[in-house]
Amino acid sequence: QQQVKQSPQSLIVQKGGISIINCAYENTAFDYFPWYQQFPGKGPALLIAIRPDVSEKKEGRFTISFNKSAKQFSLHIMDSQPGDSATYFCAASGGTGGFKTIFGAGTRLFVKA
Amino acid sequence: NAGVTQTPKFQVLKTGQSMTLQCAQDMNHNSMYWYRQDPGMGLRLIYYSASEGTTDKGEVPNGYNVSRLNKREFSLRLESAAPSQTSVYFCASSANRVYEQYFGPGTRLTVT
Repeated sequence: QQQVKQSPQSLIVQKGGISIINCAYENTAFDYFPWYQQFPGKGPALLIAIRPDVSEKKEGRFTISFNKSAKQFSLHIMDSQPGDSATYFCAASGGTGGFKTIFGAGTRLFVKA
Repeated sequence: NAGVTQTPKFQVLKTGQSMTLQCAQDMNHNSMYWYRQDPGMGLRLIYYSASEGTTDKGEVPNGYNVSRLNKREFSLRLESAAPSQTSVYFCASSANRVYEQYFGPGTRLTVT
């Protein structure tokens, strides 16, 4: 009930391409779905987040698409750049879990120059 | 404004030794968290403190204890380290009624 499943584990994209990472959750009580970006040797940092009352949120080159009925959400990185190479984690919070956050296993993105 | 700080950055322990990981935040956040990060498993919550004076278990609390020393500081203690506790440990904090978490730089712990 508390799992967040993330795919793919790793992703290689050409510079300028679109990177897509998918996540699925089980607990319908979750009400906050963030994506965190982590560079090697650093802690994760919030990239973008969405609540289930909207189907899409865009910030610059980063877009979250949210499908409440399918219990899925995805991160799209448009015009991917080598500087986007990092590990990305989806997560879910809220509902009966309160402020506890459940993270996906992570996706290692490499953008080839 | 340093955000979330953690000490030490690296630590090597022998099996059975004890140690305390320190975490402090200067953002006046109410909630603080300890996670461990292992390859292919994302971040797993060990313990959290919703507010000063309270602590609760997360997904993987066995072998750990925590202390919320004051609003700024939240420590994680390994009483008798085991090789299975080799991991990278992250502390995080969040404001009251806000889900966004701010993470520290991590402590890389190796238990031999």
